[in-house]
Amino acid sequence: AQSVTQLGSHVSVSEGALVLLRCNYSSSVPPYLFWYVQYPNQGLQLLLKYTSAATLVKGINGFEAEFKKSETSFHLTKPSAHMSDAAEYFCAVSDARNNRLAFGKGNQVVVIP
Amino acid sequence: NAGVMQNPRHLVRRRGQEARLRCSPMKGHSHVYWYRQLPEEGLKFMVYLQKENIIDESGMPKERFSAEFPKEGPSILRIQQVVRGDSAAYFCASSPEIDTGELFFGEGSRLTVL
Repeated sequence: AQSVTQLGSHVSVSEGALVLLRCNYSSSVPPYLFWYVQYPNQGLQLLLKYTSAATLVKGINGFEAEFKKSETSFHLTKPSAHMSDAAEYFCAVSDARNNRLAFGKGNQVVVIP
Repeated sequence: NAGVMQNPRHLVRRRGQEARLRCSPMKGHSHVYWYRQLPEEGLKFMVYLQKENIIDESGMPKERFSAEFPKEGPSILRIQQVVRGDSAAYFCASSPEIDTGELFFGEGSRLTVL
């Protein structure tokens, strides 16, 4: 079974500072990996995905993530936080043969002016 | 191109009543997934359906919950005899193919059981 671990439910970052959200996965088959963002009272929006192509994946809103098989990680970064980045971020993994996603518990990001 | 449409957005039920949540997938998408989000938790997979077929319901509670995706009309998640623990946000997602690895989510239906 696949699973994802996201540590630190709440993450505070100063405006203009680096955003780093950690994600470690467990999968018995080559995984597909995703980061989704959720704004209050809204659905999930895909930020970026890894599907066995380039290990450094660029997404929307300046975010990127790097797939590291040796570390079973898929950490999300953004060089400079903006106030609009305040939201909840979810890492997810799926079996490449189906779209059944296993989500982490999420990171609530707070941006401090 | 409309996204995944869910209704109602908010639903209040008393214990013992029934809740019906509807989901219309994106145009051209034949795969529908339901997820549940409890407070302070990530999303948990419930069920995966294609038209007229339940493909994977391994995440569905054994009792009171059912889902369908008829040939015509939206997918429906039905919860009978609701209890307070059913209070959650229920999200529907759709995809065009099984192997794209990407789901498109609706804005969710938030169920409150009094």
